[in-house]
Amino acid sequence: GNSVTQMEGPVTLSEEAFLTINCTYTATGYPSLFWYVQYPGEGLQLLLKATKADDKGSNKGFEATYRKETTSFHLEKGSVQVSDSAVYFCALFSRGGGNKLTFGTGTQLKVEL
Amino acid sequence: NAGVTQTPKFQVLKTGQSMTLQCAQDMNHEYMSWYRQDPGMGLRLIHYSVGAGITDQGEVPNGYNVSRSTTEDFPLRLLSAAPSQTSVYFCASSNLGQTNTEAFFGQGTRLTVV
Repeated sequence: GNSVTQMEGPVTLSEEAFLTINCTYTATGYPSLFWYVQYPGEGLQLLLKATKADDKGSNKGFEATYRKETTSFHLEKGSVQVSDSAVYFCALFSRGGGNKLTFGTGTQLKVEL
Repeated sequence: NAGVTQTPKFQVLKTGQSMTLQCAQDMNHEYMSWYRQDPGMGLRLIHYSVGAGITDQGEVPNGYNVSRSTTEDFPLRLLSAAPSQTSVYFCASSNLGQTNTEAFFGQGTRLTVV
């Protein structure tokens, strides 16, 4: 079946530091890949997505590239802000996986001044 | 823009009580789903539906029932609450038929079973 593996948190960074959150996946077929973000006390919202190999998703300074050869979709940001503190979820959607959205366990990011 | 609306936001139940978590969406999405979120375990799929009248089980369906009588509504029922069902519950909806479908989430229901 489908699965998503994320690096464990929490990740604590100083403001303006570089961020990488690793995500690898196992899937049947050709999945679409997503990063969702959850701010404290809120539901999840889509941060970025990529639908095929070598696509790069980007939003709010965050980027992730769909790497089929390494089955990875790592999230990066060049300079984090305190307002980026949240939980980040990597996810995939694959029709071969029964039309289900499969999530990783989430990585908590804390950005300090 | 309402999107996905969940009620209630908070609930405390006693063991053995029953309740229904409500979820409604106004985007005409075929696909709706329920997740529970627990520390260290991410989001786990409870039940999902690909259209009115069609439901199926996810990873952790035991103790929960669902129905989908309309496109808009997808209630989750706990027939006899147990402390193990203490969690945060999220409802989500999305379009099928697109490989890059985006899921829209409600604000969540924080349930405590004592």
